[in-house]
Amino acid sequence: NAGVMQNPRHLVRRRGQEARLRCSPMKGHSHVYWYRQLPEEGLKFMVYLQKENIIDESGMPKERFSAEFPKEGPSILRIQQVVRGDSAAYFCASSPIQGTQETQYFGPGTRLLVL
Amino acid sequence: GQNIDQPTEMTATEGAIVQINCTYQTSGFNGLFWYQQHAGEAPTFLSYNVLDGLEEKGRFSSFLSRSKGYSYLLLKELQMKDSASYLCAVRSGAGSYQLTFGKGTKLSVIP
Repeated sequence: NAGVMQNPRHLVRRRGQEARLRCSPMKGHSHVYWYRQLPEEGLKFMVYLQKENIIDESGMPKERFSAEFPKEGPSILRIQQVVRGDSAAYFCASSPIQGTQETQYFGPGTRLLVL
Repeated sequence: GQNIDQPTEMTATEGAIVQINCTYQTSGFNGLFWYQQHAGEAPTFLSYNVLDGLEEKGRFSSFLSRSKGYSYLLLKELQMKDSASYLCAVRSGAGSYQLTFGKGTKLSVIP
């Protein structure tokens, strides 16, 4: 059973470009969470999605960031007009259902570097 | 607000026992998780506590006291491969089950 897949693993963008980060949850998982990890900081929650629904985006910056989890295909975290402060590791996690006992399983992350 | 505190760094000797503490103040509580993260890799699930007491899993044990807002992760018979960051995370249960993470404790195991 493959784990959570993320690609690309490393992404370099120049200021003003767009970054698209993809996440394929574990088989059978329908809940996806995105977290951001800045250097020397803990992981910070960004957004929680189910298929075709954004459940909680309270951790997402109000501008330039968006996320989707379509009926078919991976979840996408999109960052428009990237700035140097967006440089971070972006982790995706998935869980099978939303429940009090459910563990979130993390992917290997995408390391975004903005030049 | 949400606040989770754990020591920044710890060093321990191969074969020894180490305890990593975590204290939390969160609005709501629906479980505490410990993850292991090697540099440049994904956080890997270690343990989950929702009730007070000790959960044991091989060389790893985790303890929770909800009244004190306190948890610890105990690692026994330390091995060099245990050198990693250990992340304490609380699920607030405030609607979306998002995890709030501490900054992590970087453990170095020395011979």
